[in-house]
Amino acid sequence: QKEVEQDPGPLSVPEGAIVSLNCTYSNSAFQYFMWYRQYSRKGPELLMYTYSSGNKEDGRFTAQVDKSSKYISLFIRDSQPSDSATYLCAMRAPSGNTPLVFGKGTRLSVIA
Amino acid sequence: NAGVTQTPKFQVLKTGQSMTLQCAQDMNHNSMYWYRQDPGMGLRLIYYSASEGTTDKGEVPNGYNVSRLNKREFSLRLESAAPSQTSVYFCASSVGEDYSGNTIYFGEGSWLTVV
Repeated sequence: QKEVEQDPGPLSVPEGAIVSLNCTYSNSAFQYFMWYRQYSRKGPELLMYTYSSGNKEDGRFTAQVDKSSKYISLFIRDSQPSDSATYLCAMRAPSGNTPLVFGKGTRLSVIA
Repeated sequence: NAGVTQTPKFQVLKTGQSMTLQCAQDMNHNSMYWYRQDPGMGLRLIYYSASEGTTDKGEVPNGYNVSRLNKREFSLRLESAAPSQTSVYFCASSVGEDYSGNTIYFGEGSWLTVV
């Protein structure tokens, strides 16, 4: 089992829909959880960052972490065509400078 | 706002040729990374440098070497390129040392084809 599992999609939704993107993980030591957005032919950019469990909201985006289930989610409300991108989850343990572990990414298309 | 700059952006190599990908960051970050991204495989860490003067292997180091030239620069070298090294390469940097979740900032990517 990979440390981080993420459905690659592709996921196609109509404009205005609520989008749910998810990752599961196996390492219970993970404490830092991030979502990166990657547009085509560009580098990933940090979208959301959450420490430990709970929710975090930023505009139309909400990140949720459920450590008991080892499951994280990113919700996008009122999705826009500009949200079309690949979304990668990433996570790491707090000990030292351990590198991030990335999911494979979910490709999202929002259709106008 | 340069951030992380990597060169070249595109390169075609013949099998057996060598080349170096250059990376520089202007954010005074301690840690730097090289990833490769392949379809269906996601981002995989090749090498990283936690701080100036140190380098460590990541998940897929075979066939690559790195040099942390100074705090700003971290280069990736392919000594004898193979078709399996055809990929998109991303350089990245972070403050490092367990600071605020160690957010990583990525460059724009280098598209490498080995024929």
